[in-house]
Amino acid sequence: GAGVSQSPSNKVTEKGKDVELRCDPISGHTALYWYRQSLGQGLEFLIYFQGNSAPDKSGLPSDRFSAERTGGSVSTLTIQRTQQEDSAVYLCASSSQTGTVGANYGYTFGSGTRLTVV
Amino acid sequence: GDSVTQMEGPVTLSEEAFLTINCTYTATGYPSLFWYVQYPGEGLQLLLKATKADDKGSNKGFEATYRKETTSFHLEKGSVQVSDSAVYFCALIPPRGGSNYKLTFGKGTLLTVNP
Repeated sequence: GAGVSQSPSNKVTEKGKDVELRCDPISGHTALYWYRQSLGQGLEFLIYFQGNSAPDKSGLPSDRFSAERTGGSVSTLTIQRTQQEDSAVYLCASSSQTGTVGANYGYTFGSGTRLTVV
Repeated sequence: GDSVTQMEGPVTLSEEAFLTINCTYTATGYPSLFWYVQYPGEGLQLLLKATKADDKGSNKGFEATYRKETTSFHLEKGSVQVSDSAVYFCALIPPRGGSNYKLTFGKGTLLTVNP
């Protein structure tokens, strides 16, 4: 597709359940990012994938969070045993370049998945 | 670590008013600076950027100047329109090396422009 696609767009789940959030980056983009947008907290970096390199997971808030990127394309962010504080919008972005160059082109962001834990 | 501080909103203006959204940063060296905009129901879009001191980024009537001496990158527009209503995020990326791929964002400023 022309942009970064995220699904579902909205997800309501019960506390303690596991959820999977999906990101389809722009075809050919080697860099993929997950960010979390919480009310009053801005955007927090979660994880970064670049090609076949080991991902930078330094932003994942706890071991309940994990992410995969299969075949260098689609990525899935999994949250196990969800808690109410996990409620947020989860944004995915992709880029054909990294670092300053990538940012100069403007990482392309998806519209996000709004997760609500009740 | 790196951080970005931007004025808290919400900001409410009438059409054709002058807009300033303040942004200051803390970072090692000279980061690249960005303003992103998020329209309702959409993803973030790059609005403008500046990669070195005294650079001025501009787009769609918006401007911001990279001020090294005040570590600031304030967003301005001379005459806002209703269609400018959105959330605006100031962001930085570190200079080359290290985690030179992580965008660090401010908390965002909601702008509402009334007709």
